[in-house]
Amino acid sequence: TQLLEQSPQFLSIQEGENLTVYCNSSSVFSSLQWYRQEPGEGPVLLVTVVTGGEVKKLKRLTFQFGDARKDSSLHITAAQTGDTGLYLCAGANPNSGYALNFGKGTSLLVTP
Amino acid sequence: DTGVSQDPRHKITKRGQNVTFRCDPISEHNRLYWYRQTLGQGPEFLTYFQNEAQLEKSRLLSNRFSAERPKGSFSTLEIQRTEQGDSAMYLCASSPPQSVEQFFGPGTRLTVL
Repeated sequence: TQLLEQSPQFLSIQEGENLTVYCNSSSVFSSLQWYRQEPGEGPVLLVTVVTGGEVKKLKRLTFQFGDARKDSSLHITAAQTGDTGLYLCAGANPNSGYALNFGKGTSLLVTP
Repeated sequence: DTGVSQDPRHKITKRGQNVTFRCDPISEHNRLYWYRQTLGQGPEFLTYFQNEAQLEKSRLLSNRFSAERPKGSFSTLEIQRTEQGDSAMYLCASSPPQSVEQFFGPGTRLTVL
């Protein structure tokens, strides 16, 4: 199993602050996906990164895939209360039909 | 544009009972996945289908669990003789051909008393 470690596990910040969360592994992934999940709901896909060194932007969210394709980061600029949720990274396992291996997630709370 | 749907959203059952969950994937998505998520953890892979064929099962899928996708469209996940340790959120996801992206349903929250 390709393990993904996410840090920090919990993060509480005020509206307007910037933050970065990390997803690390000792394994190489052909792609990584980031999801956001709210309580009682399924994960919602934010982005997929496939190329080492790739940077993708989604409004105030910036995603980066490490050069060696073993790690990824998510940076949020000027956080809003609507960004509150569980952020999950997941790597696809091509040997299992691209089933996803998930990290435990970073639980983000943005307060007014 | 309909996403992945799951039914029921919540299920409370007594230990020893059987339960069945349904997942309707996005139309034309040929791959369908089942995951289980417990509190404080990310989702864990259970099994997946390509069209109607079940191609992979994880070690988490004990012999009390069975999944089907008879016509390559909707899928069911059945748990027999439920145990308290089966309490979790059961998530279904689907994926289109030639893509690694998966789109999740809202999940079924199972509570075994």
